[in-house]
Amino acid sequence: GAVVSQHPSRVICKSGTSVKIECRSLDFQATTMFWYRQFPKKSLMLMATSNEGSKATYEQGVEKDKFLINHASLTLSTLTVTSAHPEDSSFYICSAGNRRDSYSPLHFGNGTRLTVT
Amino acid sequence: GQQLNQSPQSMFIQEGEDVSMNCTSSSIFNTWLWYKQDPGEGPVLLIALYKAGELTSNGRLTAQFGITRKDSFLNISASIPSDVGIYFCAGQLSNAGKSTFGDGTTLTVKP
Repeated sequence: GAVVSQHPSRVICKSGTSVKIECRSLDFQATTMFWYRQFPKKSLMLMATSNEGSKATYEQGVEKDKFLINHASLTLSTLTVTSAHPEDSSFYICSAGNRRDSYSPLHFGNGTRLTVT
Repeated sequence: GQQLNQSPQSMFIQEGEDVSMNCTSSSIFNTWLWYKQDPGEGPVLLIALYKAGELTSNGRLTAQFGITRKDSFLNISASIPSDVGIYFCAGQLSNAGKSTFGDGTTLTVKP
């Protein structure tokens, strides 16, 4: 149980285009999901908290117009990197916790490797 | 914000040796979590700790929630090559799931 699926696993896009990444909780309801960014050999940096049915909460320094988050259902959150630039290239990971377990522990998707050319 | 100090940053050990890593914080957490991440994949949960002083095992892995609630350690006994990876600790304060992560310990196991 507690499986989180993330898609796509890899994406290459041209500078200026937008990319959408999906995060799904497969066997539980997740009213809250989290989006992270990870640079090579670095820790996970929390970007935002995705809240079902309401606006996402962004961490300091993260541009909300750049990284659009939509959490329209109890099992799906999407992160859209708008007008991507090479510096947006990174590994993006989502996580979710089961509401019934008070959101602990968190389970992670397998990540999305974004390369912007 | 809260910060976790995870050490050591990296370890190079021989197969069969035991491993110990730890995380400390200047403030308390209510939950400590340990994850392992393989290259190009998301972190996988190893052990979750919910009570101060709790000692929990998962196969060759043992983790403890420090009594002060400001630290936790993870031990791996009799290491094997597939233990290679990056190990992260994470602390949670509230029950909303938001976690603070350590910087990771990179483990290399030589056969």
